[in-house]
Amino acid sequence: DGGITQSPKYLFRKEGQNVTLSCEQNLNHDAMYWYRQDPGQGLRLIYYSHIVNDFQKGDIAEGYSVSREKKESFPLTVTSAQKNPTAFYLCASSKSTENNQPQHFGDGTRLSIL
Amino acid sequence: AQSVTQLDSQVPVFEEAPVELRCNYSSSVSVYLFWYVQYPNQGLQLLLKYLSGSTLVKGINGFEAEFNKSQTSFHLRKPSVHISDTAEYFCAVTSGGGFKTIFGAGTRLFVKA
Repeated sequence: DGGITQSPKYLFRKEGQNVTLSCEQNLNHDAMYWYRQDPGQGLRLIYYSHIVNDFQKGDIAEGYSVSREKKESFPLTVTSAQKNPTAFYLCASSKSTENNQPQHFGDGTRLSIL
Repeated sequence: AQSVTQLDSQVPVFEEAPVELRCNYSSSVSVYLFWYVQYPNQGLQLLLKYLSGSTLVKGINGFEAEFNKSQTSFHLRKPSVHISDTAEYFCAVTSGGGFKTIFGAGTRLFVKA
């Protein structure tokens, strides 16, 4: 079955450490997104990519970085510059950049500070 | 600028009772509207969407929503809820002027036996 796979499900970060969250999709979707979810705040957009080798900052990109070297993959790195990284991170994809396209989500990665 | 307001953060309801989860949006251009459901420790799943045409939209699991342009609302309804409907529900909007999806803060539905 097609879908989005996020790994790991749980991740712990030490002070000063960079960590990378994996996101892979086999839906053949062009667009991919990373969101951060905090209780009571809904989803906030970190980065998005409409096509391979191109990505744009979302609303809360500071302290995060991404790459899009393959259509299927859109990893997110949480850098040591992100001072409050504890959150639930969701990766999503959509068929195209047309704004009538719904997004498909992975099951998330929960990041905590050690 | 677009925004989405979900008027209730939590909605408790008894099993087999009807429920309405409220969503209002603001946008100066035409909109596309979505409802998603999130079960604990999972991602979001699409329940239904309004793109154009009939203002009453039917989705999965017996949910439906009505687009009301004059009131800028897109409320989600189910005539009889089950325990398994306990989850968080998100209203979302994109507009004709851009690609970005704006999500509401979510409404947590508790279905009690």
